[in-house]
Amino acid sequence: ELKVEQNPLFLSMQEGKNYTIYCNYSTTSDRLYWYRQDPGKSLESLFVLLSNGAVKQEGRLMASLDTKARLSTLHITAAVHDLSATYFCAVDRGGSTLGRLYFGRGTQLTVWP
Amino acid sequence: DAGVIQSPRHEVTEMGQEVTLRCKPISGHNSLFWYRQTMMRGLELLIYFNNNVPIDDSGMPEDRFSAKMPNASFSTLKIQPSEPRDSAVYFCASIPYAARGNEQFFGPGTRLTVL
Repeated sequence: ELKVEQNPLFLSMQEGKNYTIYCNYSTTSDRLYWYRQDPGKSLESLFVLLSNGAVKQEGRLMASLDTKARLSTLHITAAVHDLSATYFCAVDRGGSTLGRLYFGRGTQLTVWP
Repeated sequence: DAGVIQSPRHEVTEMGQEVTLRCKPISGHNSLFWYRQTMMRGLELLIYFNNNVPIDDSGMPEDRFSAKMPNASFSTLKIQPSEPRDSAVYFCASIPYAARGNEQFFGPGTRLTVL
């Protein structure tokens, strides 16, 4: 079964700082998704990465995909409190299970003043 | 579009009772997924359907759990009998026919508490 590992699982950072969340997965795939979940809420799609070298940016968040290294990163630039949430990466290995996502455990981000 | 609709949003029941969770996917979406989220186990896929047909139910914990999708606009997840360890948030998600690049859209979830 495809395994997806995120690190760190918990991240506490000061406003204004930069940091990167890592997502490693265990089998070949070129479909990776990032989601955000606020406490008590549902999951909201952030980024869809569909090819090696794909880079997407939205505000202070930038996601990238390296399919050869089986690695995606979510980079946070100049963090603000509103970014506090749990971030999940999810991988679709395609083929006969196209559409089925394998989720990481999530990274709980807390941004403090 | 109203998005994925789940009901009820909260359910509190006693051990041994039957629980039925409901999901209406986004219109035109052909694939539907049921997840369970707990602190201990994270987000787990229970079962998913393509065109109303169950594709993979290997995540269903045990025979007490069953899911149906009688038509393209409705699915149920039933737990009978319920147990305290079933307490969790249950999410339903849908995508258009599983084509390249379609991210899953999640419903608001049902928070289940079994006493």
